[in-house]
Amino acid sequence: GENVEQHPSTLSVQEGDSAVIKCTYSDSASNYFPWYKQELGKGPQLIIDIRSNVGEKKDQRIAVTLNKTAKHFSLHITETQPEDSAVYFCAARRSNDYKLSFGAGTTVTVRA
Amino acid sequence: GAVVSQHPSRVICKSGTSVKIECRSLDFQATTMFWYRQFPKQSLMLMATSNEGSKATYEQGVEKDKFLINHASLTLSTLTVTSAHPEDSSFYICSARDSLNYGYTFGSGTRLTVV
Repeated sequence: GENVEQHPSTLSVQEGDSAVIKCTYSDSASNYFPWYKQELGKGPQLIIDIRSNVGEKKDQRIAVTLNKTAKHFSLHITETQPEDSAVYFCAARRSNDYKLSFGAGTTVTVRA
Repeated sequence: GAVVSQHPSRVICKSGTSVKIECRSLDFQATTMFWYRQFPKQSLMLMATSNEGSKATYEQGVEKDKFLINHASLTLSTLTVTSAHPEDSSFYICSARDSLNYGYTFGSGTRLTVV
């Protein structure tokens, strides 16, 4: 199956600074890579996703980059705000089934 | 955007009883729904995949007779935890895949406490 590794497990940044979370995947057949934000006691919410035919995608302060050759993808959050504090999960989906494999999660804390 | 409604958000039940959790896709048809379990400070663990009108596919180690899944329509899937025990206490989350695009939408989760 697909194995997704995520780093770091915790990340503390000063408000206004950038945050970067990195993930690697094992199956070269994976073709869809979403990122989710989960607040305490709630379900994950999609914040951005990228397909394997694209190298980079941006949505306001959030961007995702994908390197298919190296099998890794990253989440970049710029100008962080206290409300960005949450747990972030990366995921990967193989092209032959519909299951998402999740990383272990990154707890992001934005210090005011 | 796509919305998935999950109920109840919290439930407390006695050992030995059964609990049903509902997951509804409100504005799209979900041919495939997924059920996850999440322990504190851990990632989501896939329990089973349900396809409308067919039997659910369970992940290795998940007891299908304990966690009954029904996906009777394109907008509704239910998870029933049968003969619940304290070790079944957890956060259960459903997800629905929009068959028209790549999107996966998650429900808000159900905190189950078995006493």
